[in-house]
Amino acid sequence: NAGVMQNPRHLVRRRGQEARLRCSPMKGHSHVYWYRQLPEEGLKFMVYLQKENIIDESGMPKERFSAEFPKEGPSILRIQQVVRGDSAAYFCASSPWAQNTEAFFGQGTRLTVV
Amino acid sequence: AQKITQTQPGMFVQEKEAVTLDCTYDTSDQSYGLFWYKQPSSGEMIFLIYQGSYDEQNATEGRYSLNFQKARKSANLVISASQLGDSAMYFCAMSRPSGGYQKVTFGTGTKLQVIP
Repeated sequence: NAGVMQNPRHLVRRRGQEARLRCSPMKGHSHVYWYRQLPEEGLKFMVYLQKENIIDESGMPKERFSAEFPKEGPSILRIQQVVRGDSAAYFCASSPWAQNTEAFFGQGTRLTVV
Repeated sequence: AQKITQTQPGMFVQEKEAVTLDCTYDTSDQSYGLFWYKQPSSGEMIFLIYQGSYDEQNATEGRYSLNFQKARKSANLVISASQLGDSAMYFCAMSRPSGGYQKVTFGTGTKLQVIP
């Protein structure tokens, strides 16, 4: 049973480009959470999605950031027109239900904006 | 609003000794959960241990135990018999119900270095 898969592991983008980060949850998990970790900081919640629904996006910046979790395929976190301040590690976690006591994390995508 | 505080930015421990990593939290919720995660230098987040607010017994998982003191709102992680592979960042986190799901807040982490 494969764990949460995130790709790419490392992503370099020039300022102004778009970044697309993918997250495939564990088999049977329909709840996905995205977190951002800035250098030397803890993880900050960004968005919580269920299949085809955004449940809570209170941690997402209002502009340039969007997330989706389609019926088929991975969850995508999209950052448009990236800036240097977007450089961070982005983690995805999944759980089989909303009240789960443990979410399983992917290995993260490290985004570097040059 | 909920808050997680880890006051130790860095800790050293001698191999084979026990070490306690501090975590205090602030919440007005009656039902919540407390977690510890390990993040080695490779970057992945590894779940270590969970404690529910209504659990009367302290959680234990192998060499990890969570010292849960509800009245003090503390959830310290105790690692017994430290190993070199325990060197990593350790994050305390708390979940609370929010709109039908568990919303998780992380502390800023403690960097543990195990000395041979």
